[in-house]
Amino acid sequence: DSGVTQTPKHLITATGQRVTLRCSPRSGDLSVYWYQQSLDQGLQFLIQYYNGEERAKGNILERFSAQQFPDLHSELNLSSLELGDSALYFCASSVASSRSPLHFGNGTRLTVT
Amino acid sequence: TQLLEQSPQFLSIQEGENLTVYCNSSSVFSSLQWYRQEPGEGPVLLVTVVTGGEVKKLKRLTFQFGDARKDSSLHITAAQTGDTGLYLCAGVDGGSAGNQFYFGTGTSLTVIP
Repeated sequence: DSGVTQTPKHLITATGQRVTLRCSPRSGDLSVYWYQQSLDQGLQFLIQYYNGEERAKGNILERFSAQQFPDLHSELNLSSLELGDSALYFCASSVASSRSPLHFGNGTRLTVT
Repeated sequence: TQLLEQSPQFLSIQEGENLTVYCNSSSVFSSLQWYRQEPGEGPVLLVTVVTGGEVKKLKRLTFQFGDARKDSSLHITAAQTGDTGLYLCAGVDGGSAGNQFYFGTGTSLTVIP
């Protein structure tokens, strides 16, 4: 158990809809990262938050947004969903040390129909 | 953008064989991490290497960090079916506001009994 909790585990929705994915980081971790993983592909970095502030942005579409709340949990909002947004979305957390790993949740599998 | 290329992308071998996975970049990193991901789960850290030229051994797995801290390799001796999974390298840049992780393209390993 990584200590990172993601909900929901599965999400099926229609094109054009909006969904919110939730992540609770490991206790004590200030950094939260969001990644997208399509079938048989590596991890695409979306966005990182540190202690409530946006720290870095990757290949995140304008239709996607995220935030980290004062209690350090984070939400990833995906809107105007397209078929190509179907993927596994992972949240990970870490402490701010160069030797510290990322602790991943088990992901949310999003299917857009 | 800091890119890490992994090779090979796919590898299918018989149980008992040896294999090496490579992770190459033109960028220098504070440290480099290797993760393994099994289907339906998030990646899990295998090792962190920090010093150029460092070699770490975990049972049948040997990890090496290049002298210039730009590349790494993972060698598995006498592969077992339990080694099957997606192997990801990640270059790490440290920072006071959280680390930056740059993931490789991934190597999907299948060990056939």
